[in-house]
Amino acid sequence: DQQVKQNSPSLSVQEGRISILNCDYTNSMFDYFLWYKKYPAEGPTFLISISSIKDKNEDGRFTVFLNKSAKHLSLHIVPSQPGDSAVYFCAASYNAGNMLTFGGGTRLMVKP
Amino acid sequence: GAGVSQSPSNKVTEKGKDVELRCDPISGHTALYWYRQSLGQGLEFLIYFQGNSAPDKSGLPSDRFSAERTGGSVSTLTIQRTQQEDSAVYLCASSQQLNTEAFFGQGTRLTVV
Repeated sequence: DQQVKQNSPSLSVQEGRISILNCDYTNSMFDYFLWYKKYPAEGPTFLISISSIKDKNEDGRFTVFLNKSAKHLSLHIVPSQPGDSAVYFCAASYNAGNMLTFGGGTRLMVKP
Repeated sequence: GAGVSQSPSNKVTEKGKDVELRCDPISGHTALYWYRQSLGQGLEFLIYFQGNSAPDKSGLPSDRFSAERTGGSVSTLTIQRTQQEDSAVYLCASSQQLNTEAFFGQGTRLTVV
């Protein structure tokens, strides 16, 4: 049973436009959510996180939105750049320090 | 060290052989995780160490897989009698006890031929 799901395996966006990556979860105990970015042949790198006490967190071009009632979070990248092309994983955890549960990833392609 | 270090970066082995993958976590991080990513798949949790607690082995796919963490630092993931379906990138990550942001190594690409 997948507790964290990313239903779109891939997304293609034009440079300068907004990229919206979605993630759904089923475990209501999750209270901390993260997004990771992964380039080929590299390990995932942390991008942005959000605690369940918030519904929005912003860091430069990246904003994460959390809708607890819908058990849904999204990552917005504005404006998208070709260097953003990578696989994006959302992850969730509960009880700080516990294991992260990852979604299956979404491959983002930003076209110049 | 500055980041999580994994070795080797690439490993090709024959079916049936045993392999050992090594992870050096960030100094001071008490939590250490092993994940793997098979071709076209997401990140699959394997095992998790937290301080001196018993590891969470719930993600290990079979009894051919085992891991240990010596002295609360370096970890070794061992796969015995490797099979072709074990081919994947094995990723190690570490985090501070109360910080859920995990830092990943570059991974070990294992190919079983």
